[in-house]
Amino acid sequence: EVQLVESGGGVVRPGGSLRLSCAASGFTFDDYGMTWVRQAPGKGLEWVSGINWHGGSTVYVDSVEGRFTISRDNVKNSLYLQMNSLRADDTGVYHCARAGGSGYDYAIDYWGQGTLVTVSS
Amino acid sequence: EIVMTQSPATLSVSPGERATLSCRASQSVTSNLAWYQQKPGQAPRLLIYDVSTRATGIPARFSGSGSGTEFTLTISSLLSEDLAVYYCQQYDSWPPYTFGQGTKLEIK
Repeated sequence: EVQLVESGGGVVRPGGSLRLSCAASGFTFDDYGMTWVRQAPGKGLEWVSGINWHGGSTVYVDSVEGRFTISRDNVKNSLYLQMNSLRADDTGVYHCARAGGSGYDYAIDYWGQGTLVTVSS
Repeated sequence: EIVMTQSPATLSVSPGERATLSCRASQSVTSNLAWYQQKPGQAPRLLIYDVSTRATGIPARFSGSGSGTEFTLTISSLLSEDLAVYYCQQYDSWPPYTFGQGTKLEIK
């Protein structure tokens, strides 16, 4: 059974940093691209960032480019999102999600439950 | 950026009836279009990918169709458990891989 379990969320002040982690199990992690998708409270889904199977290619939505860094450790079967210079509009639930292929340009076939990030003074 | 527009925003359908949800892209996304279901308090679940391919374990009452810029998700015979918000998403053109704003499906 595919499982994606996020951690690292919390409350942080504007300008602060957080590092999200995602522990993956139940599949061959380094066969798949991975993504982060966020959802602001009561709002829809926003694709934030993606990384291919070996970490050599990454992409970001414009609003987080230069502030967020996605990475992965294929030995530890883990995905990460380093978030710096956080802003109030970064608040939301961050879902770790698996792309349906080796890159990030596939439909998302499995989702984690998410971890809540709240940016507030 | 490709803008995905879903209609209607809210749809109310009786059990056993057909539900038809629409998704329009601001430019062609070829066949790189998916549908997701998000039930209250849960993570999204993949229903349909590549316009019309059902994901693993998805019942046959869910079907997808369309091409280019116009797409449809059809639920042929609604069950009460289908209460959810449904999102379309294009994964054809970055940046970014955009979602629609969602259609909330209510059960009459």
